[in-house]
Amino acid sequence: KQEVTQIPAALSVPEGENLVLNCSFTDSAIYNLQWFRQDPGKGLTSLLLIQSSQREQTSGRLNASLDKSSGRSTLYIAASQPGDSATYLCAVYGGATNKLIFGTGTLLAVQP
Amino acid sequence: EAGVAQSPRYKIIEKRQSVAFWCNPISGHATLYWYQQILGQGPKLLIQFQNNGVVDDSQLPKDRFSAERLKGVDSTLKIQPAKLEDSAVYLCASSKGTQYVRTGELFFGEGSRLTVL
Repeated sequence: KQEVTQIPAALSVPEGENLVLNCSFTDSAIYNLQWFRQDPGKGLTSLLLIQSSQREQTSGRLNASLDKSSGRSTLYIAASQPGDSATYLCAVYGGATNKLIFGTGTLLAVQP
Repeated sequence: EAGVAQSPRYKIIEKRQSVAFWCNPISGHATLYWYQQILGQGPKLLIQFQNNGVVDDSQLPKDRFSAERLKGVDSTLKIQPAKLEDSAVYLCASSKGTQYVRTGELFFGEGSRLTVL
């Protein structure tokens, strides 16, 4: 059974700091991994998707990496801003379940 | 292009009462998903429709939860009777087809927050 874990559960950083969010998964037979952002009271917005054959994806100040063999992904946020404050969720697709399996999320607060 | 619409946004009920949530997916999207997100957890898939047929309802507590997608467009998720542990945000999502989950083309509504007292 695929299990997705995110560490840390919560993180508070001062504005301008670079930070890394971690995601690990138990079944490496995934098709892809996706990072989402969730603002309070809102739905999920897709940030980055990495196919299993890829090592990383970049969008603006965000960079996501994938190491499928070790079951890990990281989301790197450069020069954090208060507007980055949100919950960040990773999700994997594929393997035996053929479903999108979400992690528990990391609640990020960027202090001005 | 209009996004996924959900209503009501908030609902508070007593345990053992019933509640229904409505979802209108993006126009033309054949696949519709209902997720349950309990506070502090990631979303969990409850049911997936392809047009008006059920693709996966393996994690739907069928003794109290039901869902339908008549005419392959709007969908309703019902809980009867509700339990305290049903307190959660119910997210609806849609995609053009089942294969579009692979390309990340899955779009979420803002959710319906249920509190059961």
